Amino acid sequence: NAGVTQTPKFQVLKTGQSMTLQCAQDMNHEYMSWYRQDPGMGLRLIHYSVGAGITDQGEVPNGYNVSRSTTEDFPLRLLSAAPSQTSVYFCASSPLGPMSYEQYFGPGTRLTVT
Amino acid sequence: LAKTTQPISMDSYEGQEVNITCSHNNIATNDYITWYQQFPSQGPRFIIQGYKTKVTNEVASLFIPADRKSSTLSLPRVSLSDTAVYYCLVGVDTGTASKLTFGTGTRLQVTL
Repeated sequence: NAGVTQTPKFQVLKTGQSMTLQCAQDMNHEYMSWYRQDPGMGLRLIHYSVGAGITDQGEVPNGYNVSRSTTEDFPLRLLSAAPSQTSVYFCASSPLGPMSYEQYFGPGTRLTVT
Repeated sequence: LAKTTQPISMDSYEGQEVNITCSHNNIATNDYITWYQQFPSQGPRFIIQGYKTKVTNEVASLFIPADRKSSTLSLPRVSLSDTAVYYCLVGVDTGTASKLTFGTGTRLQVTL
């Protein structure tokens, strides 16, 4: 049971480039989400999904797209990278319902945009 | 979602009990209180969750007074490995899905 996995661990992009951050979980969780964490700050919710085919925006969705074609995968796409998107990105998952407060986080992807 | 206020940082010696208090004056009737722990370069990890009174697990205790406007996370006999950032979250909807809102947390430094 690998839990929540994220790839890549590190990434450097130039301004204007696009890329996809991968997230997968093997716990059959319905709920998945993406957060970003800037240095010295808490986590901010970007997008989330309550099941395959269903996604919604969080606090800071601009510049990011998501899709959820399977229960296991929830990729985050940066459309046109900007230096303001330099951050650490965390993916998380949880079951729906009464246990949904206990989210499982991946190890993170450290992204630098130059 | 209810706003939370917690100390920016705390220091402790190894072996002491550490209590981190979180203020959440506008907590709603259906809101739960949840605490997460984050080590450097790692994702947050769930510690404990409660609604009222006291909750205890193998890691920590959570004390919630009757008015629920604050809560206290208690870590018994901390060790160096408890050095981390601790987040207090309020407003978790346990009926469907939980959109967690993290503040800046409390940075706990444990020394010998």
